[in-house]
Amino acid sequence: AQSVTQLGSHVSVSEGALVLLRCNYSSSVPPYLFWYVQYPNQGLQLLLKYTTGATLVKGINGFEAEFKKSETSFHLTKPSAHMSDAAEYFCAVSQNTNAGKSTFGDGTTLTVKP
Amino acid sequence: NAGVMQNPRHLVRRRGQEARLRCSPMKGHSHVYWYRQLPEEGLKFMVYLQKENIIDESGMPKERFSAEFPKEGPSILRIQQVVRGDSAAYFCASSPPQGRDTGELFFGEGSRLTVL
Repeated sequence: AQSVTQLGSHVSVSEGALVLLRCNYSSSVPPYLFWYVQYPNQGLQLLLKYTTGATLVKGINGFEAEFKKSETSFHLTKPSAHMSDAAEYFCAVSQNTNAGKSTFGDGTTLTVKP
Repeated sequence: NAGVMQNPRHLVRRRGQEARLRCSPMKGHSHVYWYRQLPEEGLKFMVYLQKENIIDESGMPKERFSAEFPKEGPSILRIQQVVRGDSAAYFCASSPPQGRDTGELFFGEGSRLTVL
């Protein structure tokens, strides 16, 4: 069994400020972890993923996330927010026995203020 | 554009009618997944298919919903006798055979079903 909790359904930051979107997961086996971004009326686009190896993963658009097994977390960060980062972000977990069957969190809407 | 193609993008049906949603995976991809997104919620897994096979349908409602991925043509998600609660965005995703090891999914832009 697996589940994902995203803390904070809405996050608002000022342009240039740090972005931190929180994700905690549970999984009965070593997880695969993903962050996706969704712009209005569009599909989801992969930002980054963790499968094995280095626990700090870098993705597109300056985002990165760190897998912390002891905290069962996979928080998404970006040092400096840009207006174009405004979107909805989803954390997802899957297992290597069926990697494509992902469980998604409920999403966090990021607003970037000028 | 060789991305995942879904159609229609928007579909309006009255209660009791049938809805058919189509998905063509990315070229070279053999695995198709359907997810449903209700308003203000995340995506919920519905079904996983390969050509001519349903691999995992644990997320499909027991009645009125069916999915197929024939040898030729797109994958189809069919909803019979729609009710208002079926109103949602339905997303299709695909992955290549080797993608089963990493789980990365490539999503279409979704089909938004509205039931009046």
